[in-house]
Amino acid sequence: AQSVTQLGSHVSVSEGALVLLRCNYSSSVPPYLFWYVQYPNQGLQLLLKYTSAATLVKGINGFEAEFKKSETSFHLTKPSAHMSDAAEYFCAVSGSSGGYQKVTFGTGTKLQVIP
Amino acid sequence: DTAVSQTPKYLVTQMGNDKSIKCEQNLGHDTMYWYKQDSKKFLKIMFSYNNKELIINETVPNRFSPKSPDKAHLNLHINSLELGDSAVYFCASSQGQTVGGFTDTQYFGPGTRLTVL
Repeated sequence: AQSVTQLGSHVSVSEGALVLLRCNYSSSVPPYLFWYVQYPNQGLQLLLKYTSAATLVKGINGFEAEFKKSETSFHLTKPSAHMSDAAEYFCAVSGSSGGYQKVTFGTGTKLQVIP
Repeated sequence: DTAVSQTPKYLVTQMGNDKSIKCEQNLGHDTMYWYKQDSKKFLKIMFSYNNKELIINETVPNRFSPKSPDKAHLNLHINSLELGDSAVYFCASSQGQTVGGFTDTQYFGPGTRLTVL
């Protein structure tokens, strides 16, 4: 069964510092991986997704993630945190359920940005 | 021009009542979903419909009954509400379910916060 594990339910960084949110996956080959962001009192929106085209995936708002098969990881990074990045971040893996897409989400990481 | 909309945004009700949540998407997508997000932010799929046909039905009490009158709408009816049903319910849609295609982006609605007293 497919799954993702997000290490750290809460991450705090200073404004301007590197953001690193960790995600490890377990899935049949090939894995299709996503990062979604949820701002307070809103639905989730896509940051980026890995579809096997390139291992380094660039997303919106300066975020990127690197797929590392050897480490079964898909960590999310941003070089310089901004106050507006404070949100909940979800890693997700997509697989098959009876031939249809089923997305399994991680437990989320809350990012706090300290001014 | 909201892509995925849900009504109501907040729902407060007594145990034992029956309630419905409505969802509409104007993206022209073929597939729609219901997710439940609990107080710890854990997000779990409940149902998925493709072109009005149920394709994913997770282990959900049969008090929950989804209905899709057309591919742009997916409603959720809940009978005999219980305290444990309190959560945020999200509707989502994705472009289409070509068998074997698992890279679709999901577009989420703003959520319905259900509180059962």
